[in-house]
Amino acid sequence: SQQGEEDPQALSIQEGENATMNCSYKTSINNLQWYRQNSGRGLVHLILIRSNEREKHSGRLRVTLDTSKKSSSLLITASRAADTASYFCATYVQAAGNKLTFGGGTRVLVKP
Amino acid sequence: DGGITQSPKYLFRKEGQNVTLSCEQNLNHDAMYWYRQDPGQGLRLIYYSQIVNDFQKGDIAEGYSVSREKKESFPLTVTSAQKNPTAFYLCASSTFSGLALGYTFGSGTRLTVV
Repeated sequence: SQQGEEDPQALSIQEGENATMNCSYKTSINNLQWYRQNSGRGLVHLILIRSNEREKHSGRLRVTLDTSKKSSSLLITASRAADTASYFCATYVQAAGNKLTFGGGTRVLVKP
Repeated sequence: DGGITQSPKYLFRKEGQNVTLSCEQNLNHDAMYWYRQDPGQGLRLIYYSQIVNDFQKGDIAEGYSVSREKKESFPLTVTSAQKNPTAFYLCASSTFSGLALGYTFGSGTRLTVV
C-alpha cells in the first residue's frame, strides 16, 4: 500500500527556475522524508520533517508540512541541470513498524 | 568509507531458477530493508529486519525469502514462485531508532528474467 502520492508525476523546467512537488498521505505520521534518485541508482536522503514542524530548509531545498491537510511540498530553488532526478516522499508511522512507506515519485527534468 | 554494498549490479535469471541478491553494510545499522522498484514507479517493501535472526514481511513478500544471520548482511532470494521478478531491487539500512535520520540505500541490483 502506498501512503504517499506525489504530484505532479513529471515536471520539466528551465535551469534557474524553481521546482515544486507535492506529497499527500493518508494517515497520521511521525515524520516525512524526501529522497532523490538519479537514474538507475539508489536513493539519497535529502531532508526530514517531523510532524510537529511546519517548514525546514536545507541549502536550496525547502520543505513544508501541513498535517491538517496531510500534505507536504518540496521546493527546489534556482534549479540546476544536476537536479534532474526523481524525487520521492516517504512517511514514517511508528505504530506501523520501523519502516518507511514511499510515494510514486516525481520525475524532474531541468533543461540547461 | 561506510556504506551499503549491493551485488551484483546486474543479474539475469532463467525461468524456474532461484537467485540471491547480496546486501552488506558496514554502518553498524540495526535495521535492513529490501524494496522493489518497477519502471517509473515508487518503492514497495518486500521484507525488513530489525535485529539478527528476525525479519518481517512487507507488502509484497510472496515469492521472496530472506535471512539475517549477521548484522551486516541481509540477502534476498528471488524464488521461482515469483512470477514477475524483473525489477530494480534496492537494499537500505537504518539505525534502530534512526528513522529520524532516514535510510541509507545501496546502489541497487537490476534483475532481468531471460
